[in-house]
Amino acid sequence: DAKTTQPPSMDCAEGRAANLPCNHSTISGNEYVYWYRQIHSQGPQYIIHGLKNNETNEMASLIITEDRKSSTLILPHATLRDTAVYYCIGYTGGFKTIFGAGTRLFVKA
Amino acid sequence: DGGITQSPKYLFRKEGQNVTLSCEQNLNHDAMYWYRQDPGQGLRLIYYSQIVNDFQKGDIAEGYSVSREKKESFPLTVTSAQKNPTAFYLCATSFKINQPQHFGDGTRLSIL
Repeated sequence: DAKTTQPPSMDCAEGRAANLPCNHSTISGNEYVYWYRQIHSQGPQYIIHGLKNNETNEMASLIITEDRKSSTLILPHATLRDTAVYYCIGYTGGFKTIFGAGTRLFVKA
Repeated sequence: DGGITQSPKYLFRKEGQNVTLSCEQNLNHDAMYWYRQDPGQGLRLIYYSQIVNDFQKGDIAEGYSVSREKKESFPLTVTSAQKNPTAFYLCATSFKINQPQHFGDGTRLSIL
């Protein structure tokens, strides 16, 4: 499973887009990129996942580079409730899923 | 997630005791997982189960045991062999093993 690298923390102004980067240079061809977030003292929440193409859902957009070595999660209009730790993981199945320390996003009014 | 119930929310254990954490789901998902989270850290996989009556060790299975006798239930026992059990324990489910995971609200275990 791919090792992922994320910045430890980021700030974003409320109402602006939050762009969270993730490097996954060791990702293999059949590994999906998944994003989750964890609000303090709660279980992680699934956000989005993708393999090659960019993806969008009601929560966020996922942009994956053509070489698949990195991706960016975009929250188009961040709110205070988006303050959380965001995890990027790459895996082919649940048995080796490891969530790293993630990126702590602070959305400020 | 509303379909995954972990209980209790807080649990205290005396030295040398075994304790069992409950995880129940009504999502009709085949796969279930147990993770451990230490303060400021990510999640580490303890055990996972792809189907009833089957389960596999994750990366940190020592000192833990599980059972999967029913599709809806995947209890985790923290045994006295686990020397540092204080942590936040999270149960997750997914439709199949390679699908997005849905998490419960966790159980916080502390040693008295």
